[in-house]
Amino acid sequence: GQQLNQSPQSMFIQEGEDVSMNCTSSSIFNTWLWYKQDPGEGPVLLIALYKAGELTSNGRLTAQFGITRKDSFLNISASIPSDVGIYFCAGQNYGGSQGNLIFGKGTKLSVKP
Amino acid sequence: DAGVTQSPTHLIKTRGQQVTLRCSPISGHKSVSWYQQVLGQGPQFIFQYYEKEERGRGNFPDRFSARQFPNYSSELNVNALLLGDSALYLCASSLGRGFSNTGELFFGEGSRLTVL
Repeated sequence: GQQLNQSPQSMFIQEGEDVSMNCTSSSIFNTWLWYKQDPGEGPVLLIALYKAGELTSNGRLTAQFGITRKDSFLNISASIPSDVGIYFCAGQNYGGSQGNLIFGKGTKLSVKP
Repeated sequence: DAGVTQSPTHLIKTRGQQVTLRCSPISGHKSVSWYQQVLGQGPQFIFQYYEKEERGRGNFPDRFSARQFPNYSSELNVNALLLGDSALYLCASSLGRGFSNTGELFFGEGSRLTVL
């Protein structure tokens, strides 16, 4: 089955630093999404991408849909303590169930004040 | 407006028992999907329901079943529980088919199931 490789698995950074994480797939996706999950809670949608090459921002977050449609990255600028959590990429296919997202294993972000 | 609500939030069962988890989608959303999240992993797709019909099924055994009601709420049932069924079960809602942003799923906080 399809798999998403998300990297890095974890990051430990200083407050104020920029963060970059990415996701690669063995297959093409027509939608990429980025979610953040805090302990004991469900994932929260951060950014959705629908077109190859699309670059979308949400505040300090910027994400891009790779041209090959097999990858995506998420950048966080000027990190703050509340950015702590687990970030998941997720992809969706043409022809598949629209509720069927393939998730990566997550990037755990820790921020040192 | 209320987000996706799930119940119960936590429950403990023993092997062989059966469990029913419930989900109410965001108002106006017609599609509900269920995911299983094992500790340290990303969520895995179990089912999608739209307009009370199953629209997709992940790689889970027949012990897992679900249904959607006329008000678009949904139940997930798991029979003959195994230790490996211990996980966070997430419900997600979306507008449904025919909308360009149907890839955007909005998750509830989940039901934490522990099987002893």
